[in-house]
Amino acid sequence: NAGVMQNPRHLVRRRGQEARLRCSPMKGHSHVYWYRQLPEEGLKFMVYLQKENIIDESGMPKERFSAEFPKEGPSILRIQQVVRGDSAAYFCASSPVVYSDRNTIYFGEGSWLTVV
Amino acid sequence: TQLLEQSPQFLSIQEGENLTVYCNSSSVFSSLQWYRQEPGEGPVLLVTVVTGGEVKKLKRLTFQFGDARKDSSLHITAAQPGDTGLYLCAGLMDSNYQLIWGAGTKLIIKP
Repeated sequence: NAGVMQNPRHLVRRRGQEARLRCSPMKGHSHVYWYRQLPEEGLKFMVYLQKENIIDESGMPKERFSAEFPKEGPSILRIQQVVRGDSAAYFCASSPVVYSDRNTIYFGEGSWLTVV
Repeated sequence: TQLLEQSPQFLSIQEGENLTVYCNSSSVFSSLQWYRQEPGEGPVLLVTVVTGGEVKKLKRLTFQFGDARKDSSLHITAAQPGDTGLYLCAGLMDSNYQLIWGAGTKLIIKP
């Protein structure tokens, strides 16, 4: 059973470039969550998507960041015009139904973005 | 301000010693989870506690959820070098899907 797959695992971008991070949820999971982990900090919620819908993007910066989860293919977190402060680990998680106390969420191994 | 405060932030002890890591909040959580994260990897779930006062054991690890569901602790007995890692607590409020995370406790067990 393949887990949550994220790629690239490591990405280096120069300031001003675009970063695209991809997440393929576990088979049968249609709910995807993105979290960001800054150095020496815990994870912070960014966005929750279902297939073709953004359900909650309250944790995502209003500018430069966008996310999608198309009908076919992986979920994509897109960061335009990256700045040094975007350097972080970005984790994707998935669940078969909306995540709650009654079920389990599964995390990918993360994409480490470094902005130089 | 962190909604979930973890302490200590860093702990380095000798193999064989016992230790406790704390996760505290002024808010009530419907459930609390403990994760372990290795460098360069994603967090891996260790346990979920749901009921106030609940105690769960995982080999040498004992997890407790406070009676008021505002805090939790992780106790490791006879720590081993393989226990080295970053331990993170995370909670759900009102069964909402957003996990709230502590900043983590970096644990080093020296042989």
